[in-house]
Amino acid sequence: EAGVAQSPRYKIIEKRQSVAFWCNPISGHATLYWYQQILGQGPKLLIQFQNNGVVDDSQLPKDRFSAERLKGVDSTLKIQPAKLEDSAVYLCASSLSGAQPQHFGDGTRLSIL
Amino acid sequence: ELKVEQNPLFLSMQEGKNYTIYCNYSTTSDRLYWYRQDPGKSLESLFVLLSNGAVKQEGRLMASLDTKARLSTLHITAAVHDLSATYFCAVDTNTNAGKSTFGDGTTLTVKP
Repeated sequence: EAGVAQSPRYKIIEKRQSVAFWCNPISGHATLYWYQQILGQGPKLLIQFQNNGVVDDSQLPKDRFSAERLKGVDSTLKIQPAKLEDSAVYLCASSLSGAQPQHFGDGTRLSIL
Repeated sequence: ELKVEQNPLFLSMQEGKNYTIYCNYSTTSDRLYWYRQDPGKSLESLFVLLSNGAVKQEGRLMASLDTKARLSTLHITAAVHDLSATYFCAVDTNTNAGKSTFGDGTTLTVKP
């Protein structure tokens, strides 16, 4: 079975620019997650989708971050404008449902200059 | 607010030795996960523990759960270099299924 696909793998931008990440979950997985992992820390959940609806976005900084999963399959996460503290790895994960183990993609490493 | 604490955060051990990583969480939870992360790679699911007293083993790793103490342990037996990685525990609840809260990880280095 193909895993969770993410792109790009690396991105370098200047502060105040915008950036977008893409995620394609494992086929058939209804639940999709975006995490932020700052160096030396565990992943922090930003947003959880069930099909094309948002289950939880309580930790998403909505003034600059947005995410969508319009057709209930792939998803995009956008940051606009980026700040220095957004430098992190952004991980996408998917699962059959919220109570099932999550499968993670390789992540996008974002560096803000 | 659910908090998850792991200790130690860094662990250096000799091949062939045994050691235990601890994961404490602050409120009642329904699922506890252990993940492995190699440098520059993503997280790989190792174990899911669902009930008090649950024990799971895979190779040299054994995970257990004590829900009364809100404690999980990951025991490493006769460590080998290939086990060098960062290990994370994470917990979630049935009312927030999937909203996992992660610890900050234990970075394990196994030396020959």
